[in-house]
Amino acid sequence: GENVEQHPSTLSVQEGDSAVIKCTYSDSASNYFPWYKQELGKGPQLIIDIRSNVGEKKDQRIAVTLNKTAKHFSLHITETQPEDSAVYFCAAIGSGGKLIFGQGTELSVKP
Amino acid sequence: EAQVTQNPRYLITVTGKKLTVTCSQNMNHEYMSWYRQDPGLGLRQIYYSMNVEVTDKGDVPEGYKVSRKEKRNFPLILESPSPNQTSLYFCASRGDRGLNNEQFFGPGTRLTVL
Repeated sequence: GENVEQHPSTLSVQEGDSAVIKCTYSDSASNYFPWYKQELGKGPQLIIDIRSNVGEKKDQRIAVTLNKTAKHFSLHITETQPEDSAVYFCAAIGSGGKLIFGQGTELSVKP
Repeated sequence: EAQVTQNPRYLITVTGKKLTVTCSQNMNHEYMSWYRQDPGLGLRQIYYSMNVEVTDKGDVPEGYKVSRKEKRNFPLILESPSPNQTSLYFCASRGDRGLNNEQFFGPGTRLTVL
């Protein structure tokens, strides 16, 4: 069935370093890939998304890249800050418009 | 303010005692979903609704029911809760199933079934 794999499950970085989270998807027809940030005690919030006709998208310190051939997409956070600490989820839109989520990455940014 | 609300936020109950978690959105969204979040498993869809009176099973529907009598409300019903339904639940909504619609999540309901 449709599947999204996300790695790593936990990531610890020093403040100011970069963080990279990677996802792979199984449905070659997927054409929309959002990333969500979930802070403690809150629901996930959309932080950036990318569509299949674009290879890269950037919004200030966050960027997402997409390799449709390899069915990979990644989230890059530069100059990390303590407030970036959260759980991050990737997702891919599958058949029928259903969002398939990865397992989540717990990012910890140490001051 | 555009939002999805859920109630209650926290609930401790006992096996077999029927419960309902309410969900409401004020964005006139057609598409609504319920997810459960468990460690290491991410967000798994329980049920979804494409519009009023239209509901369908997601990936993990066993033990749950939903209804969509009005566009804004999408309650999740556990007729006979069991301990394996202890989880963090999220309601979500978006305009439709199309590509350009951001999905909004509620704040979550933490359910413990003893």
